[in-house]
Amino acid sequence: NAGVTQTPKFRVLKTGQSMTLLCAQDMNHEYMYWYRQDPGMGLRLIHYSVGEGTTAKGEVPDGYNVSRLKKQNFLLGLESAAPSQTSVYFCASSYSIGEAFFGQGTRLTVV
Amino acid sequence: GEDVEQSLFLSVREGDSSVINCTYTDSSSTYLYWYKQEPGAGLQLLTYIFSNMDMKQDQRLTVLLNKKDKHLSLRIADTQTGDSAIYFCAETSGYSTLTFGKGTMLLVSP
Repeated sequence: NAGVTQTPKFRVLKTGQSMTLLCAQDMNHEYMYWYRQDPGMGLRLIHYSVGEGTTAKGEVPDGYNVSRLKKQNFLLGLESAAPSQTSVYFCASSYSIGEAFFGQGTRLTVV
Repeated sequence: GEDVEQSLFLSVREGDSSVINCTYTDSSSTYLYWYKQEPGAGLQLLTYIFSNMDMKQDQRLTVLLNKKDKHLSLRIADTQTGDSAIYFCAETSGYSTLTFGKGTMLLVSP
């Protein structure tokens, strides 16, 4: 049972570089989410998708873009990384709103 | 907007009961959840309760909901060192995405 798989698990970027975080789920879930987790801030929703081909902004979308070209994949892009984007990123998916399954996280450091 | 508040830290001894509290502001909250995050891992759904319920019991876990006061609690009976983790309260009206609290770190000492 793979569940939700995030790639990569760790990454160090230089300021201004770009990268894409990949999230894959094998549960046929409609909903997918990207969160960032920072000390003292809890989990904050970046973007989410309610189905293939759809995306929507969450609480902190600035500096990020997403795509959901296939139902099982949800990509998070950073076009020009900034130190403020240093964080742990979590992808999640759910059949309905609420009962979300989370990936193991991607620890990103921007220097 | 919606807000979910939790105390940040709780320390208990092994074998004691732990009670983690949460308050929320959204009066249209329909579903309330408790998630657990172990070190270096993602969040796992522990249990949930619908707003038309007052209590839900699941083995060592008891969830109490006071809808009037918008207060949710998670009680862990016979707390073990393996219960040490961060516990997140979350809510949704069912028409919007989950709103999470900042998490309560539970430390269980032997």
